[in-house]
Amino acid sequence: QSALTQPASVSGSPGQSITISCTGTSSDVGGYNFVSWYQQHPGTAPKLLIYDVYNRPSRVSDRFSGSKSGNTASLTISGLQAEDEADYYCSSYTSNRTRVFGGGTKLAVL
Amino acid sequence: EVQLLQSGAEVKKPGESLKISCKGSGYTFTNYWIAWVRQKPGKGLEWMGIIYPGDPESRYSPSFEGQVTISVDKSINTAYLQWSRLKASDTAMYYCARHVSPDSGSLYWGQGTLITVSS
Repeated sequence: QSALTQPASVSGSPGQSITISCTGTSSDVGGYNFVSWYQQHPGTAPKLLIYDVYNRPSRVSDRFSGSKSGNTASLTISGLQAEDEADYYCSSYTSNRTRVFGGGTKLAVL
Repeated sequence: EVQLLQSGAEVKKPGESLKISCKGSGYTFTNYWIAWVRQKPGKGLEWMGIIYPGDPESRYSPSFEGQVTISVDKSINTAYLQWSRLKASDTAMYYCARHVSPDSGSLYWGQGTLITVSS
């Protein structure tokens, strides 16, 4: 199975909103509502931001939201803050009963 | 408090074998899946495989099937990732992560184990 497709980089200014896309196939993103999003700062383990496409763990800010349309899932970050500068990864359940990650997106807060 | 504590960094030579560990605490170990994730230096996350300590059932990403072995020892709440013959291309950080099920996200992660394979 191939990695899910994410843009290599996105950028935004403090206070703005940005959206990161994650494109797969009907065998992963499009076939299941089991897409997760992770944030990773340098030298640290990934942190779960969104699970099951839309849901947010209790300790995650409501500035982070998820959605899906067809084979593409999206993560939107509103009210950008300097601390949001990090790498972001999507992950989906697959028809192989395993999971797959996206290639990752580097977010720059200008 | 849920914790996943991974074994320490390793420096190995190509062709050597290795087994790294991930010890779960603060929860019922046999009720949750444990996944392993690779991250090569400066690169993205790669999902390797997952195991359910209660069975134990294991599943592997096609990219890692036959390359590594995932196992558990329920008696000591520990999951393992092992190689029989390391390659230089196995140099990476390896994370374990807890899943409610393979279709769910991972809220809890280990701190990572850095493996360096070099002659």
